[in-house]
Amino acid sequence: EVQLVESGGGLVQPGGSLRLSCAASGFTFSSYWMSWVRQAPGKGLEWVANIKQDGSEKYYVDSVKGRFTISRDNAKNSLYLQMNSLRAEDTAVYYCASSGWYPHDAFDIWGQGTMVTVSS
Amino acid sequence: QSVLTQPPSVSGAPGQRVTISCTGSSSNIGAGYDVHWYQQLPGTAPKLLIYGNSNRPSGVPDRFSGSKSGTSASLAITGLQAEDEADYYCQSYDSSLSAPCVFGTGTKVTVL
Repeated sequence: EVQLVESGGGLVQPGGSLRLSCAASGFTFSSYWMSWVRQAPGKGLEWVANIKQDGSEKYYVDSVKGRFTISRDNAKNSLYLQMNSLRAEDTAVYYCASSGWYPHDAFDIWGQGTMVTVSS
Repeated sequence: QSVLTQPPSVSGAPGQRVTISCTGSSSNIGAGYDVHWYQQLPGTAPKLLIYGNSNRPSGVPDRFSGSKSGTSASLAITGLQAEDEADYYCQSYDSSLSAPCVFGTGTKVTVL
């Protein structure tokens, strides 16, 4: 079964850190661009970051640049998001998604999401 | 602030046809980048509905169709059903941004 499973979410204080993980199975993880997409409570979808198949290219939305780092381990079929200096506005459900051979391909596989709450 | 604009809501009776617009610009849809559409049922992850402007993944009913023209795209739902009540998002790529992947503002479809 083709699947993405996120983990690592939780409650963290402003200024704190959290590392999200996404485990892939059922498809050739190393062949595809991967992204993190978030959704604040009651709001729309926001693309956060993506990473090329070999990890050589990474892109971020402006609001997380310098604070978040996307990475992947193809040997472990896993995607990560290191989140530092967290702010209240980072509170959201974080989804990992696969987007195919090219960065502009559609997100055809989504995880179930993991909730991150930034609050004191 | 999203660069792809959708109407906040559309509604229709069962069996009717509704359309959702996605308006972009010359740096995204108008530059030739594909538009993709997602359906998000309440409390669930988004699901790919249309890719490459007008293509349906396996398992998506042919009641759903997509089109693109100029700097805009549209999603049409014909024969509206109760289970179609959800949020819908368009998505594309923008060459003018350092963060190239962009989603639309989202549209809530209500079945009357």
